[in-house]
Amino acid sequence: QKEVEQDPGPLSVPEGAIVSLNCTYSNSAFQYFMWYRQYSRKGPELLMYTYSSGNKEDGRFTAQVDKSSKYISLFIRDSQPSDSATYLCAIRTGTYKYIFGTGTRLKVLA
Amino acid sequence: DARVTQTPRHKVTEMGQEVTMRCQPILGHNTVFWYRQTMMQGLELLAYFRNRAPLDDSGMPKDRFSAEMPDATLATLKIQPSEPRDSAVYFCASGSGQISYEQYFGPGTRLTVT
Repeated sequence: QKEVEQDPGPLSVPEGAIVSLNCTYSNSAFQYFMWYRQYSRKGPELLMYTYSSGNKEDGRFTAQVDKSSKYISLFIRDSQPSDSATYLCAIRTGTYKYIFGTGTRLKVLA
Repeated sequence: DARVTQTPRHKVTEMGQEVTMRCQPILGHNTVFWYRQTMMQGLELLAYFRNRAPLDDSGMPKDRFSAEMPDATLATLKIQPSEPRDSAVYFCASGSGQISYEQYFGPGTRLTVT
């Protein structure tokens, strides 16, 4: 079993929809969870960061961690065409050491 | 506008040739990471440095890959000899080391080995 699993998509939604992106992970000891956004032909950029369980909100984005299920989610409200990108979940597994999901491609249709 | 720079942006080479990729981390950042991204495997950590010292290179095939930081403004990743399975996008990222989750990625080097 991979340490982090992510549905590759692609996911197509109409503009204004709520988007839910998810990852599962295998090690219950993991504490630091991140979401990155990667536009085509660009490097990933950090979108959200959460520590341990709970929710974190930043504008239209909400990151959620459910440690009991080993499940992390990113919700995008009022999705825009500019949100079209690949979204990568990432988990810190050690000091300065990270593992990434394979990414979910999202397309928001105008 | 501080950013990580990588050169070259694209590289096409023949199997067996040496490839060197370069990265300039953000000024003042002391943690540097090398990643490889493929469709199948996603983003994989190859190696990382703190204060120019290699902390972990367990993600790299040791027989052909090497990573160094000759100085604080330059990190290099070398493949010798290159193989078609090395075709991927190679990203460098840097962080200040003060925030454990912080990584700023460069634009990547797209490598094609024929």
